[in-house]
Amino acid sequence: DAKTTQPNSMESNEEEPVHLPCNHSTISGTDYIHWYRQLPSQGPEYVIHGLTSNVNNRMASLAIAEDRKSSTLILHRATLRDAAVYYCILRHFGNEKLTFGTGTRLTIIP
Amino acid sequence: NAGVMQNPRHLVRRRGQEARLRCSPMKGHSHVYWYRQLPEEGLKFMVYLQKENIIDESGMPKERFSAEFPKEGPSILRIQQVVRGDSAAYFCASSSQGISETQYFGPGTRLLVL
Repeated sequence: DAKTTQPNSMESNEEEPVHLPCNHSTISGTDYIHWYRQLPSQGPEYVIHGLTSNVNNRMASLAIAEDRKSSTLILHRATLRDAAVYYCILRHFGNEKLTFGTGTRLTIIP
Repeated sequence: NAGVMQNPRHLVRRRGQEARLRCSPMKGHSHVYWYRQLPEEGLKFMVYLQKENIIDESGMPKERFSAEFPKEGPSILRIQQVVRGDSAAYFCASSSQGISETQYFGPGTRLLVL
């Protein structure tokens, strides 16, 4: 599986937007970009995924670069509940396993 | 809708004992995945099962570990003769159809080997 690179940690103020970057320069044409997050002492939670176009759902937005070598997860208005480790994962179509890296630990400052 | 259920949530075993971890997938889901998370590390894939079949066990240690997903009942991850290095959080996920469907995770079982 192609690798992803994320900052180890980020901080953001409560009620402000958060932009979490992910680099995936070796992405292939059939790799989907998935984001999961893991709150403390819980299992991972699906956030969003996309292939080429930007995606929005009730939790977040995913902005994908035109060359697909990077993407950004956008939380529009961070709350304390959004404090978690965020994982950017490339998932090859038809490959069932998720390959987790070390993710970005997001801290929300009240 | 009940989510993915795992039990027990915490399990303590002494070295050499057996550990059995159970996972009940979401209603209507027939695909189950097991992952292990060592302290301060990311999750690592272990095994992917459908009802009565092991589809991919490329992440399973060669010895002492086995998994099953019978026609009836929960999926079981079994660890024989546990060692201290088996101490970790074990997460189960399920999906409805496989083939790149979203995986929904359970709360995990935290295994401590004394």
